[in-house]
Amino acid sequence: GQNIDQPTEMTATEGAIVQINCTYQTSGFNGLFWYQQHAGEAPTFLSYNVLDGLEEKGRFSSFLSRSKGYSYLLLKELQMKDSASYLCCYYNQGGKLIFGQGTELSVKP
Amino acid sequence: GAVVSQHPSRVICKSGTSVKIECRSLDFQATTMFWYRQFPKKSLMLMATSNEGSKATYEQGVEKDKFLINHASLTLSTLTVTSAHPEDSSFYICSASGEHNEQFFGPGTRLTVL
Repeated sequence: GQNIDQPTEMTATEGAIVQINCTYQTSGFNGLFWYQQHAGEAPTFLSYNVLDGLEEKGRFSSFLSRSKGYSYLLLKELQMKDSASYLCCYYNQGGKLIFGQGTELSVKP
Repeated sequence: GAVVSQHPSRVICKSGTSVKIECRSLDFQATTMFWYRQFPKKSLMLMATSNEGSKATYEQGVEKDKFLINHASLTLSTLTVTSAHPEDSSFYICSASGEHNEQFFGPGTRLTVL
């Protein structure tokens, strides 16, 4: 089967660091993605992990552990504009993206 | 990065009418495009995979006669919602795959059926 889970919402303070976790269970796995989606807009690509470890890209980093079925997105130096929904998703063996429910992040001053 | 456009961005129609949504890859060719729908505060649900030059592959529970997909060229896929009803009101998003398998999403189409 296919199952992916992430927290529904999180709140953090401007300038702080926040970690959004994602766990998944699947019989086939071809990489994990994180997308950012602002309300009423389409998702934008943030990161892609296919091997274990940490991928860093500016203020955003993403980590993957395939053996644990676990990933996280780390956002540093939070800005107000980072308030958005963050979608964790993976590619299954059929080449389809399977999305989590999304984590609504609110950044407060 | 690759750019995917969608048209229209918003559409309001009467119940029973049909609505066509276009999805274009602007600076690359896409043999495969994907159509999703998203309800408020919910995640994206894959509706179908659109393959250039062949029939679309629909996900379980998605009516192929209700949601007609045509992928006539390497840069254009269309989704037609036939005989739309209020329950079809949703945010429809298309995407196309990049060279590293990441999917680039269009800006979405907000459909409201009265």
